[in-house]
Order: sequence, then C-alpha cells, then structure tokens
Amino acid sequence: DTGVSQNPRHKITKRGQNVTFRCDPISEHNRLYWYRQTLGQGPEFLTYFQNEAQLEKSRLLSDRFSAERPKGSFSTLEIQRTEQGDSAMYLCACQGGMTDTQYFGPGTRLTVL
Amino acid sequence: GENVEQHPSTLSVQEGDSAVIKCTYSDSASNYFPWYKQELGKRPQLIIDIRSNVGEKKDQRIAVTLNKTAKHFSLHITETQPEDSAVYFCAASHNAGNMLTFGGGTRLMVKP
Repeated sequence: DTGVSQNPRHKITKRGQNVTFRCDPISEHNRLYWYRQTLGQGPEFLTYFQNEAQLEKSRLLSDRFSAERPKGSFSTLEIQRTEQGDSAMYLCACQGGMTDTQYFGPGTRLTVL
Repeated sequence: GENVEQHPSTLSVQEGDSAVIKCTYSDSASNYFPWYKQELGKRPQLIIDIRSNVGEKKDQRIAVTLNKTAKHFSLHITETQPEDSAVYFCAASHNAGNMLTFGGGTRLMVKP
C-alpha cells in the first residue's frame, strides 16, 4: 500500500449531475497529480499541484472540470454537468521528498448513465 | 506536446522466456522515463525508471535501455513468471516531478 487514498472508489451518476472526488496523498508529498484512464488506455494527465498552487492544466481539460488543493494536503476534483464521455477511472498520484516516483492511488471509477 | 507510442499492444510469452516492450517519444526535451505495471483492477505501480544521462538500468529480472538519439526506450523482462502478467505502461516527462505522458500500454501474458 503506497499510502495514497481516494474516495469514493466508485461513483455512478446520471448525466448532468455534479460529482466530486477526493484524494489524500502521502503526507509531505508536495506534488499532487490528477490523471484520467479509460479502458485499455494509459493514464492521461489532467492537472497538477505543487503544494496548494495549481501549476499546470491539460489543454484537454474541459471548463466543467475544476480541482483544488486548499491547504496543500488533500485535493478535490469536481466535474460539473457530467457527460457520458466523462466515464473513466480518475487516478490521483503524488510525488515528493527524495524520490522521483509518482505514487498512484487506487482511483475513483466514474460511471455516467 | 509529448507523444509516447508503445508496442506491442499485447504480448504472450511462455514462462521462462524473455519479454521486450518498446516505446518511442517525440519530445527531445524529455529526460525521465518510468515504467509502470498495472494489474487488473489495481493502481499503476512503478517497476523501474531511467534518466536521460544513463543508457541502461537493471533491477534483478527487469532492465530498461534508452537511446536518446533515436528517442526510444525499452523494457526487458527476463525469466518471465506468471505473476508478471499485467499491463505495462511506459511514460516520459521533462524532469522527474513533472507530468507524465503515458504510452498506450502492453498487455503481457505469461503462460505457465
């Protein structure tokens, strides 16, 4: 267990609803990343934070997506007005200290009906 | 932006044989190349990584080679075992600590 936790693990929602996911990284890991993974594909970068600052966002990230890391610890990813195409696994990863490794959480699987 | 291509998409080997997975990248500024293993329903886990100032790195049965001129890197698994069966992803980034661009993945099946 790498210590990264994500909640909820599964979320089923109806199209048009808003959803929010949470990621709790390894403590003292100052970098936190959000990725999206669809079936049979590699993870796709969405956004990342260094401490509480959001440093980069993917050009593919719709304005329906927003992420926060208010105190530089946990992070939330919100999707507004969900669409069926948002169905995917949302992965959080963190990195920090003396290691280059990005440690992934177990993911939140979103299904939009 | 960076583009990472990975081949093959599926690979089936007999237990004890070697497996090789290849990746190419497009951005010559990329200098950090990790490999992740993802078992069904599990999170990706780092198995080995390499920086651009090194041409080869080995860790027991796993090795990675990097050719910066050709912009490709490969994962080598020797003496494969059934527990090596998983999906393997290569990735690239500008410096460790930056966003990763992943390849499409290789499903490795090791037949006992």
